[in-house]
Amino acid sequence: GAGVSQSPSNKVTEKGKDVELRCDPISGHTALYWYRQSLGQGLEFLIYFQGNSAPDKSGLPSDRFSAERTGGSVSTLTIQRTQQEDSAVYLCASRTGQYNYGYTFGSGTRLTVV
Amino acid sequence: KQEVTQIPAALSVPEGENLVLNCSFTDSAIYNLQWFRQDPGKGLTSLLLIQSSQREQTSGRLNASLDKSSGRSTLYIAASQPGDSATYLCAVRRETSGSRLTFGEGTQLTVNP
Repeated sequence: GAGVSQSPSNKVTEKGKDVELRCDPISGHTALYWYRQSLGQGLEFLIYFQGNSAPDKSGLPSDRFSAERTGGSVSTLTIQRTQQEDSAVYLCASRTGQYNYGYTFGSGTRLTVV
Repeated sequence: KQEVTQIPAALSVPEGENLVLNCSFTDSAIYNLQWFRQDPGKGLTSLLLIQSSQREQTSGRLNASLDKSSGRSTLYIAASQPGDSATYLCAVRRETSGSRLTFGEGTQLTVNP
């Protein structure tokens, strides 16, 4: 597609439930990132996928968070047993494999845990 | 550890004024620096990307400069308009340790008509 697409745009869930957030990157972009933006805070790196390499999961805040990228394209971020502190905007970005190119971000998923 | 600081945190100016937003970073070993704009409740829109070998980039009324050795970048907005009101974020990409971006906290700009 023309841009990075994220769904849903908004999600309200009850504490303890699992949620899945989807990211559809720009076609042909080999690198995909997830970031989190909590209220009043900066963007926090979560996870990075590059081609067929093992993902960099060093930013995931707990083992309740996981992500996968199927077929080198669509990615799903899963949060299990959601907590109120998981409430944030989750942003996905993609980039070509060439190092001198910048990032393109999606519009994000606003997650509210009640 | 790379740290990125943006000053000021908030700025309010009258329409038509020229303004400068500042970004500083602690580790000069960067690959590039990118300025983004974020409107309330929206994602990030890329404004300008400066490679580490470049000194500045221009797009319309926007001009971004980079002084890698001193760890500074500025975003200059000429003839500001109310539509420029948004949060402006700078982000640096390090030469090593993968290619994640490290973001500043942002400058919240309000341009008053």
